[in-house]
Amino acid sequence: DQQVKQNSPSLSVQEGRISILNCDYTNSMFDYFLWYKKYPAEGPTFLISISSIKDKNEDGRFTVFLNKSAKHLSLHIVPSQPGDSAVYFCAASAEGYALNFGKGTSLLVTP
Amino acid sequence: NAGVMQNPRHLVRRRGQEARLRCSPMKGHSHVYWYRQLPEEGLKFMVYLQKENIIDESGMPKERFSAEFPKEGPSILRIQQVVRGDSAAYFCASSPQAGLAGPPPRDIQYFGAGTRLSVL
Repeated sequence: DQQVKQNSPSLSVQEGRISILNCDYTNSMFDYFLWYKKYPAEGPTFLISISSIKDKNEDGRFTVFLNKSAKHLSLHIVPSQPGDSAVYFCAASAEGYALNFGKGTSLLVTP
Repeated sequence: NAGVMQNPRHLVRRRGQEARLRCSPMKGHSHVYWYRQLPEEGLKFMVYLQKENIIDESGMPKERFSAEFPKEGPSILRIQQVVRGDSAAYFCASSPQAGLAGPPPRDIQYFGAGTRLSVL
């Protein structure tokens, strides 16, 4: 039962352009959302999070948008850099501690 | 400040053997979580532990799998009588607090590099 879905397995973007990664969820009890970035042979690294009481959170080049009515969130990276090439995981939690992860989107930023 | 340390990084076992995966949390963190990532899948929660206590093992298979976090030493995820379907990457995460209650933001979980288990 996949409660967090990332429907695009991969995305290719040119350096300097915007990368938009999407995530949908089905559990209306989720109230905290996170994005993790993962390089090969490494563990996921926390990137940015958003609480359900907000619709936007920004940190440098990274912005996460949350649309609760659509149960959809997105991560925007502007401008994209080659070092951003990695797998990005969307995760969500209800009150508690278990994180529910999507399957990930592999981002490739080309020079 | 060392991050979450997992060892071994790679573990090869034959069917029927036991696998022991170790995790040392970040300094100052007393909460440990184990996740499993099967090929082409996202990470799936297995178990949450505090020192000497299993708080939630709802994601753990009922048989052959066990976890502990002793007062001294690393957390251990133990898989007995491994089968081919146990082949996966096993990630450990730690946090200073669990964020069990209350509104977000909750504590971030910091992940180790994982142990890749291959069962022959």
